[in-house]
Amino acid sequence: DIQMTQSPSSLSASVRDRVTITCRASQRINNYLNWYQQKPGQAPKLLIYAASTLQSGVPSRFSGSGSGTDFTLTISSLQPEDFATYYCQQRYNIPWTFGQGTKVEIK
Amino acid sequence: QVQLQESGPGLVKPSETLSLTCTVSGGSISSYYWNWIRQPPGTGLEWIGYVFNSGSTSYNPSLKSRVTISVDTSKNQFSLKLSSVTAADTAAYYCARAAYGEEAFDIWGQGTMVTVSS
Repeated sequence: DIQMTQSPSSLSASVRDRVTITCRASQRINNYLNWYQQKPGQAPKLLIYAASTLQSGVPSRFSGSGSGTDFTLTISSLQPEDFATYYCQQRYNIPWTFGQGTKVEIK
Repeated sequence: QVQLQESGPGLVKPSETLSLTCTVSGGSISSYYWNWIRQPPGTGLEWIGYVFNSGSTSYNPSLKSRVTISVDTSKNQFSLKLSSVTAADTAAYYCARAAYGEEAFDIWGQGTMVTVSS
């Protein structure tokens, strides 16, 4: 299985901060990487697919980059509704696997 | 717009079979991967497997011996069966859609909590 490792596991940030979350794959996965946001009690929501393509309806303050083994999710100006847990997911090989999550909390 | 809704028992006894159904509304069940994903309390996400509208399947090897996912196109539903459950199978179970060629889970059900306990 491809292991996905996110860092940090949690972070504290303020509204309007720039936030960056990193996801590293245990082997090369080209750009087959997706990002999700999950709020408590809710299903995950797709933010970005194919490493850098913004899902329809997702605010442009979210962006993704990377290829190969190293990927980043950036929130350019954190908003109150962005406090949540973020997951990366690879689709390069079966089984599709997720990172352990990064919880973004209010400072 | 397409919506997914999970249904099934919220409590299953150890060693029995967990059975869930996902109903697809607002669109056709064709030409997508239809997935099951679970999330134990307080932890991360685990992909269980998918069924394509043709009936072809793929499963997570860690669960493959116990999992069956099937599709009923006439009812716009797909189903999950997980046999020989233990407490470790206690989780929120989500159904989700993924488009062929993108394999990103773009539409999710709200999730259903299943507890394994006697």
